[in-house]
Amino acid sequence: GAGVSQSPSNKVTEKGKDVELRCDPISGHTALYWYRQSLGQGLEFLIYFQGNSAPDKSGLPSDRFSAERTGGSVSTLTIQRTQQEDSAVYLCASSLSSGINEQFFGPGTRLTVL
Amino acid sequence: AQSVTQLGSHVSVSEGALVLLRCNYSSSVPPYLFWYVQYPNQGLQLLLKYTSAATLVKGINGFEAEFKKSETSFHLTKPSAHMSDAAEYFCAVSDQRGSNYKLTFGKGTLLTVNP
Repeated sequence: GAGVSQSPSNKVTEKGKDVELRCDPISGHTALYWYRQSLGQGLEFLIYFQGNSAPDKSGLPSDRFSAERTGGSVSTLTIQRTQQEDSAVYLCASSLSSGINEQFFGPGTRLTVL
Repeated sequence: AQSVTQLGSHVSVSEGALVLLRCNYSSSVPPYLFWYVQYPNQGLQLLLKYTSAATLVKGINGFEAEFKKSETSFHLTKPSAHMSDAAEYFCAVSDQRGSNYKLTFGKGTLLTVNP
């Protein structure tokens, strides 16, 4: 079966522009996570969705970051007014449900802000 | 909050030698612990996980890890390294907030295997 997919695989943008990153989780997975992987900070949790519950946004680094999940499936991470420090690989993961189930990771989107 | 420390950002071994990647955690509750592997330009793949069952956990590709509560450690080992094991390895602890089992990762250890 298909794994977690993310698009685009690479995104280069200019400082100040907005970007949207997309994640398609594994079908039937109700839990979805976004993480950021950067050289200075390693892997960091950003946001968590579970079914129709309110998301846990506690990892978002600033109010320029937002995410939504439509119909309990596809998720979009939006970064407004991008800054150079936003350059990183953004990873999406999904799991069967809440609880200690394996998180399956997508290949990531490499974002470069010039 | 949980935290994870991986000792050694870079480990180099010869093919056929023992692989030992170190991980120590801090947790105020019994932890769930994981090892993930990341090959170049790929996402993370789960190697193994500890969820309070057997303390010696066997994973894929011949890797195993032992949970030692007294040492707050979860070191990853493989008896004989293969060239295909060259990758970056991440230890993680599940930092539970309600139903959110978000992962807190260590900084990673890059494993190089020399012929």
